[in-house]
Amino acid sequence: DQQVKQNSPSLSVQEGRISILNCDYTNSMFDYFLWYKKYPAEGPTFLISISSIKDKNEDGRFTVFLNKSAKHLSLHIVPSQPGDSAVYFCAARVLDSNYQLIWGAGTKLIIKP
Amino acid sequence: EPEVTQTPSHQVTQMGQEVILRCVPISNHLYFYWYRQILGQKVEFLVSFYNNEISEKSEIFDDQFSVERPDGSNFTLKIRSTKLEDSAMYFCASTSGRVGSPLHFGNGTRLTVT
Repeated sequence: DQQVKQNSPSLSVQEGRISILNCDYTNSMFDYFLWYKKYPAEGPTFLISISSIKDKNEDGRFTVFLNKSAKHLSLHIVPSQPGDSAVYFCAARVLDSNYQLIWGAGTKLIIKP
Repeated sequence: EPEVTQTPSHQVTQMGQEVILRCVPISNHLYFYWYRQILGQKVEFLVSFYNNEISEKSEIFDDQFSVERPDGSNFTLKIRSTKLEDSAMYFCASTSGRVGSPLHFGNGTRLTVT
């Protein structure tokens, strides 16, 4: 049951360039989408979120875009920095749930110097 | 910045034994969660807890699992009789519950069942 899909297991980007991480979902009942970043041996760290009623949310170098008709969201990191190298998880909240999150499999982002 | 803390970082146990994983959520948070990630697989929701009771649980959270908030600071996950397939990273999380507030996760406990 893959309600949230991150189809790229890994992504390599040059430092200073834009990193674009993609996420697709199948369930129209998700009301909130979140991006988490995870370093080895640490728990997921919240990055940015977007409500299903919006199409864009920006926070510093991070911007999340939501295309509801395509059931697609993306995370843009500009400019990419070496410290951004991590695994990025897309997660979706089930409508009216108490943060019951459905997670994607993650994309490992590698920033090359 | 306040953080969620989990102990131990690694727990090894024999099949059939009981384990208790411990968490100290952020102090002013009201909603608590356990998630797990089996090696190589996705993060999965186990249970949410609010006002001293379970508010939601997944099908993974069967009768072998229980949660408790024994005092004002700790939040525990107990597995009564561990199975090999319970081996995973277990993450505790908490949130204030205010609109737009995300989940904050601990660094996890790696449970190894032998």
